[in-house]
Amino acid sequence: SQTIHQWPATLVQPVGSPLSLECTVEGTSNPNLYWYRQAAGRGLQLLFYSVGIGQISSEVPQNLSASRPQDRQFILSSKKLLLSDSGFYLCAWSQGYSNQPQHFGDGTRLSIL
Amino acid sequence: SQQGEEDPQALSIQEGENATMNCSYKTSINNLQWYRQNSGRGLVHLILIRSNEREKHSGRLRVTLDTSKKSSSLLITASRAADTASYFCATDARSGAGSYQLTFGKGTKLSVIP
Repeated sequence: SQTIHQWPATLVQPVGSPLSLECTVEGTSNPNLYWYRQAAGRGLQLLFYSVGIGQISSEVPQNLSASRPQDRQFILSSKKLLLSDSGFYLCAWSQGYSNQPQHFGDGTRLSIL
Repeated sequence: SQQGEEDPQALSIQEGENATMNCSYKTSINNLQWYRQNSGRGLVHLILIRSNEREKHSGRLRVTLDTSKKSSSLLITASRAADTASYFCATDARSGAGSYQLTFGKGTKLSVIP
């Protein structure tokens, strides 16, 4: 069966520090991968998605970047965190065609001090 | 812009009662999905209804879709305290890269009181 792992679960970082969040998927190949951010009490904002290795599409201009160095690995990064980067970050995967659900990791709670 | 909008924003009911949540959207869709999120956790897929379907059931869940009104509803029958969570609708749109993206609403926070 397929599983998705996301870490760390919580992270507290100072303003201006770098960031690296990792997500890996097991049990499937060539998944679509997604990074979302969820502000408190809000819906999900799609940040990045990827349909294959090295293929990244950005939905929102921001201080973050994403990379997909391997088929089932998706990394969210920042060189210098801002206070506004605080939030709940969720990674998800899906099969690469319509009428398929997305499967989410348990998220990373990021607090910027 | 937000494609799906859930209504109400919050709902509090007694255990055993039915809970109904509504979702409205703006543009044509391929399908509409409902997800559940427990506090501090990731989203869990509940049910998917295609644009040519009008109703779908899964256990205690019943979803309806009215494409003429661009709306959907999620009914949870005989609610339990464990149903306490936020519920999101999501609509899909095909992107130019061939990926099928979902656009999520802001969710309905359901509280089921024992």
